[in-house]
Amino acid sequence: TQLLEQSPQFLSIQEGENLTVYCNSSSVFSSLQWYRQEPGEGPVLLVTVVTGGEVKKLKRLTFQFGDARKDSSLHITAAQPGDTGLYLCAGANTGNQFYFGTGTSLTVIP
Amino acid sequence: KAGVTQTPRYLIKTRGQQVTLSCSPISGHRSVSWYQQTPGQGLQFLFEYFSETQRNKGNFPGRFSGRQFSNSRSEMNVSTLELGDSALYLCASSQTSGSREQYFGPGTRLTVT
Repeated sequence: TQLLEQSPQFLSIQEGENLTVYCNSSSVFSSLQWYRQEPGEGPVLLVTVVTGGEVKKLKRLTFQFGDARKDSSLHITAAQPGDTGLYLCAGANTGNQFYFGTGTSLTVIP
Repeated sequence: KAGVTQTPRYLIKTRGQQVTLSCSPISGHRSVSWYQQTPGQGLQFLFEYFSETQRNKGNFPGRFSGRQFSNSRSEMNVSTLELGDSALYLCASSQTSGSREQYFGPGTRLTVT
């Protein structure tokens, strides 16, 4: 089992604050993805990172893949209420079968 | 393009019954994967179908089965339902088997009483 642990599990912050969510594993992944899921909906893909050490930016969101391809982080700058949701990381093995993290529930308070 | 659709959106069943859930992938996508999402276990992979063949299977009992039709639509079946089967069942479609880009449907919320 390729377990992905996310931290923190819950996060409640004020609008305008910065935050970082972590995704850690003892397994090496060929790629790692981040999703956001809103209540009553399926997860929506935010980004895919493939190369160890890779950094991708998507507006106020910055994603980093660890050098050893075992961990990743998601940093949000100046959080907005629209960022509220469940953030999930998912690692893919060499067969591109996905293992999802435990999830981080983010609430941004206006 | 229309997104992934799942029917029904909500379902209530009794222990011991069976249930069939349906997933229509994005047009042109030939791979469909199924996941179970629960508060305790998170999102867990059930199986993947591509060109009507099961390509990968997660660690679930044989009560969980699926199939894919020639038009890429997929169904999953759960027989002899247990209380622990209550969950959100999500399907995701992608163009090919093993693609990194998968798109999820809204899910079917199954409640077993």
